[in-house]
Amino acid sequence: NAGVTQTPKFQVLKTGQSMTLQCAQDMNHEYMSWYRQDPGMGLRLIHYSVGAGITDQGEVPNGYNVSRSTTEDFPLRLLSAAPSQTSVYFCASCWGADTDTQYFGPGTRLTVL
Amino acid sequence: GQQLNQSPQSMFIQEGEDVSMNCTSSSIFNTWLWYKQEPGEGPVLLIALYKAGELTSNGRLTAQFGITRKDSFLNISASIPSDVGIYFCAGQILGGNTPLVFGKGTRLSVIA
Repeated sequence: NAGVTQTPKFQVLKTGQSMTLQCAQDMNHEYMSWYRQDPGMGLRLIHYSVGAGITDQGEVPNGYNVSRSTTEDFPLRLLSAAPSQTSVYFCASCWGADTDTQYFGPGTRLTVL
Repeated sequence: GQQLNQSPQSMFIQEGEDVSMNCTSSSIFNTWLWYKQEPGEGPVLLIALYKAGELTSNGRLTAQFGITRKDSFLNISASIPSDVGIYFCAGQILGGNTPLVFGKGTRLSVIA
């Protein structure tokens, strides 16, 4: 199993540009989530999904969209990037009722100029 | 929302020393977790605690779920250079698939 994969690893955007951060898992996990990590901060939950077709907002959802059309994939979309979205983004997944044992991807480092 | 206060923010220790870090909250948590993050990687789960008073070990790591359910600590004994990283506590208020709340992390540096 590849586990949780994220692409790209690094990305630089200009203010106002849009892009999608990709996340995929091959463990048939129902629950997937997106976090952002800023210097000196813990991980903050952006959006999460408890299964295909179901998404919900986390602590800091503004400026981000998600969808879950398949069990495997959970892309995070930035419609109009802002410098405040400069961060490291982590995707995580786990079995449906086991959010205490999430597996994290390697992260995407995003810089918005 | 709920917040976890993790301390210390950073530590510089000599190889071989023991390390202790803790996490406190004003809210009661049903689950406490400890993660380690190495540079350029995502967090990796070290220890999960599910019951007040529970003491769990994973090699040289020991973590405890506080009796009040509002705190937890992590000890690392006889530190080695590969212990370097950022350690995060996380809590879960309810069971099932409720989101985790993370502390801000403790950055550990080990001097050989």
